[in-house]
Amino acid sequence: QLQLRESGPGLVKPSETLSLTCTVSGGSITSNNYYWGWIRQPPGKGLEWIGNIYSRGTPYYNPSLKRRVTISIDTSKRQFSLKLRSLIAADTGIFYCARLVSESGGYYFDSWGQGTLVTVSS
Amino acid sequence: DIQLTQSPSSLSASVGDRVTITCQASQLITNFLNWYQQKPGEAPKLLIYDASHLETGVPSRFSGSGSGTHFSFTIRSLQPEDVATYYCQHYDTPLFTFGPGTTVHIK
Repeated sequence: QLQLRESGPGLVKPSETLSLTCTVSGGSITSNNYYWGWIRQPPGKGLEWIGNIYSRGTPYYNPSLKRRVTISIDTSKRQFSLKLRSLIAADTGIFYCARLVSESGGYYFDSWGQGTLVTVSS
Repeated sequence: DIQLTQSPSSLSASVGDRVTITCQASQLITNFLNWYQQKPGEAPKLLIYDASHLETGVPSRFSGSGSGTHFSFTIRSLQPEDVATYYCQHYDTPLFTFGPGTTVHIK
């Protein structure tokens, strides 16, 4: 069964860069129908899509975060990563990695990591 | 950009009740509309994809319908374990949008 696990610091200072990694196990990271994505959730609020990456393609980012975000993938390690620069307090929240399935024109997140809480504070 | 509106924002219903949540899109989005369940303290879970397809392993009391700009999500007979926030989500090349969520409580 596919498992995704986020890892990274729980506390980051304002203006610094957050680096998170998602490790994929129990399934292929290079399958043609799968993308890999990051979604975040501020405390007590809704879900916000950050971006996706395909194993052999260009990453796509939420326009509201595009200037500060980089998503990359290392298929040899079965990992994909998120970097979010110039952090502010409003970036505090739970960050989820997820598998994005592409099927018959539709796209949906069918497997999620447990999430990791990131607090931006000095 | 396409915006998704969910109603109600929260609701309380009794065990066994039929519960319906709506998701309205600001533009035509065909049937590329998915529904997720997020229980307190947990990651979201996919329930319905492409408006009406039940994800494998999801109980049949959950269903989805709709097309165009108006979509519905229904719990046929509400159970205590259905207490959660439900989100609709749309894909519009290459962007993804989540609705604001509907929180379901038990009376």
